[in-house]
Amino acid sequence: GQNIDQPTEMTATEGAIVQINCTYQTSGFNGLFWYQQHAGEAPTFLSYNVLDGLEEKGRFSSFLSRSKGYSYLLLKELQMKDSASYLCAVLDSNYQLIWGAGTKLIIKP
Amino acid sequence: ETGVTQTPRHLVMGMTNKKSLKCEQHLGHNAMYWYKQSAKKPLELMFVYSLEERVENNSVPSRFSPECPNSSHLFLHLHTLQPEDSALYLCASSQDGVSSGANVLTFGAGSRLTVL
Repeated sequence: GQNIDQPTEMTATEGAIVQINCTYQTSGFNGLFWYQQHAGEAPTFLSYNVLDGLEEKGRFSSFLSRSKGYSYLLLKELQMKDSASYLCAVLDSNYQLIWGAGTKLIIKP
Repeated sequence: ETGVTQTPRHLVMGMTNKKSLKCEQHLGHNAMYWYKQSAKKPLELMFVYSLEERVENNSVPSRFSPECPNSSHLFLHLHTLQPEDSALYLCASSQDGVSSGANVLTFGAGSRLTVL
């Protein structure tokens, strides 16, 4: 079966750095997405990786290793507004999105 | 405001009621989706409309009935739901349809459904 694993919840301190991991086992691979979802709001697109390596976008970076079936989202200089759920999703060989259950990130002052 | 609007934001209904969820997008996207989001579970794809062709997840009970009258509007008709159907129902759209590559989804804020 197809599976995406990510931690259920993480806690970090304002101003610090946090890494949210995502591992996947899917039928084929056509890219990996990260979305951010604040409580009561719409999920919003953060990043898309299809090649190995690190993609940086401001305070957020996303890394992919296809050989390891692994990705992480790195958030730097954490702000209180970064408290949200972070959803990992993989596009399989049929271009179907396989979703993880999301990681709830709690930022403490 | 993300460009995808869902109404109502909250809905409480009894098991014998009939209600509808509405989704509207004016992004010029060609595909629209219904997802179910339950606490601590992955998003479950329910229905997809791509260029007015419906792609249905076979595991969706018939008490959920989608309707896509045009490329900008999507409905989810609800009938004789069960308490376990209580969840957040998210609508999304994308520029291209499924099987067309890596489409970024634009989501609405969701309709929180409670079935009593």
